[in-house]
Amino acid sequence: SQQGEEDPQALSIQEGENATMNCSYKTSINNLQWYRQNSGRGLVHLILIRSNEREKHSGRLRVTLDTSKKSSSLLITASRAADTASYFCATDKTGANNLFFGTGTRLTVIP
Amino acid sequence: SQTIHQWPATLVQPVGSPLSLECTVEGTSNPNLYWYRQAAGRGLQLLFYSVGIGQISSEVPQNLSASRPQDRQFILSSKKLLLSDSGFYLCACSAAQREKLFFGSGTQLSVL
Repeated sequence: SQQGEEDPQALSIQEGENATMNCSYKTSINNLQWYRQNSGRGLVHLILIRSNEREKHSGRLRVTLDTSKKSSSLLITASRAADTASYFCATDKTGANNLFFGTGTRLTVIP
Repeated sequence: SQTIHQWPATLVQPVGSPLSLECTVEGTSNPNLYWYRQAAGRGLQLLFYSVGIGQISSEVPQNLSASRPQDRQFILSSKKLLLSDSGFYLCACSAAQREKLFFGSGTQLSVL
């Protein structure tokens, strides 16, 4: 399946620490996106990185993409309790019309 | 930017009853519209998407159907709900396929 797989499934850190989440996928993509979901709410788009990009930053977020390894990582620096949420990667597939979501990483930031 | 209105927030329905979930979009015209379902603790499964009025593509054969009667209105329906239809349903829109999605706040459906 094209669906991305996030790793780890759950991550618990202290406030102020950095959090790193990984995503692996199986086939060629045009872009990869990261989303955040607070419990019981809709997803919020964080960042989109295209297949010809290797790294992208947005505030405390840093995303890398390695198309040779078919993997991406999301780094949240100086984490805050408000960063507690589930984080999903979503990939498209060359030739397909839609996004495919992974099962997510549940991040808990302890104050 | 886009705003997606999705209701109701929670819904409890008996098996065999009909379903109608509505989603409307503001702040954009001719959006791509999507219905996703999320099982507890899982990722999102795409159910339907639409690139225009009356144009519906189904990703997964199932008990559900979708309609787009107006440019910014997307409806998810069922004639007879099954227990397996329980889940968190999310409506989303995008300006173009494979680009970033804007999500509604979701409907938690429990079929009993």
